[in-house]
Amino acid sequence: DGGITQSPKYLFRKEGQNVTLSCEQNLNHDAMYWYRQDPGQGLRLIYYSQIVNDFQKGDIAEGYSVSREKKESFPLTVTSAQKNPTAFYLCASSMGLAEHYEQYFGPGTRLTVT
Amino acid sequence: GIQVEQSPPDLILQEGANSTLRCNFSDSVNNLQWFHQNPWGQLINLFYIPSGTKQNGRLSATTVATERYSLLYISSSQTTDSGVYFCAVEGGSYIPTFGRGTSLIVHP
Repeated sequence: DGGITQSPKYLFRKEGQNVTLSCEQNLNHDAMYWYRQDPGQGLRLIYYSQIVNDFQKGDIAEGYSVSREKKESFPLTVTSAQKNPTAFYLCASSMGLAEHYEQYFGPGTRLTVT
Repeated sequence: GIQVEQSPPDLILQEGANSTLRCNFSDSVNNLQWFHQNPWGQLINLFYIPSGTKQNGRLSATTVATERYSLLYISSSQTTDSGVYFCAVEGGSYIPTFGRGTSLIVHP
């Protein structure tokens, strides 16, 4: 089955630690995205990547970093510089950035930092 | 960037009722999608609808691009329709902007 997987589903970390969230897709999509969702809020874009070895900052990139070394993988690192890291993180992918390309989402990772 | 407003923010229905959710956007768009987020957080694609009308079972959607709004209709609602409905639009950059969503609770 084609899809997007995110692991782990729940993640707990102590303040001051960096943590990396995994996102893998086997849909052969070129574009991948990371969003953050806070309670009662919509999705806010953190980073996106149109192609391997290229990525762009979204609206709230501060305190986050990404890499895109393989087409299938787009890991997100939440660094200690992110002031409010506790949130629900969603990864998505699409064929590309153009008309007629729908986005598909993974199941998400709930990160709690104490 | 494009502003997206969804209404109502919250909606409570009895099973079997019909409802209309609205998405207004501030500029012309190239893409528009409706999603349903289930209680476990998974977002499911409902419609890709930059213009026109589409139907899928009890759900249908209409986008009037010239007037900058889209409507999602849910007929004969069921408890499994509960969750949050998001509208996402893409302008010239093709980067999606999401609204804040409509939270729907359907009581049996």
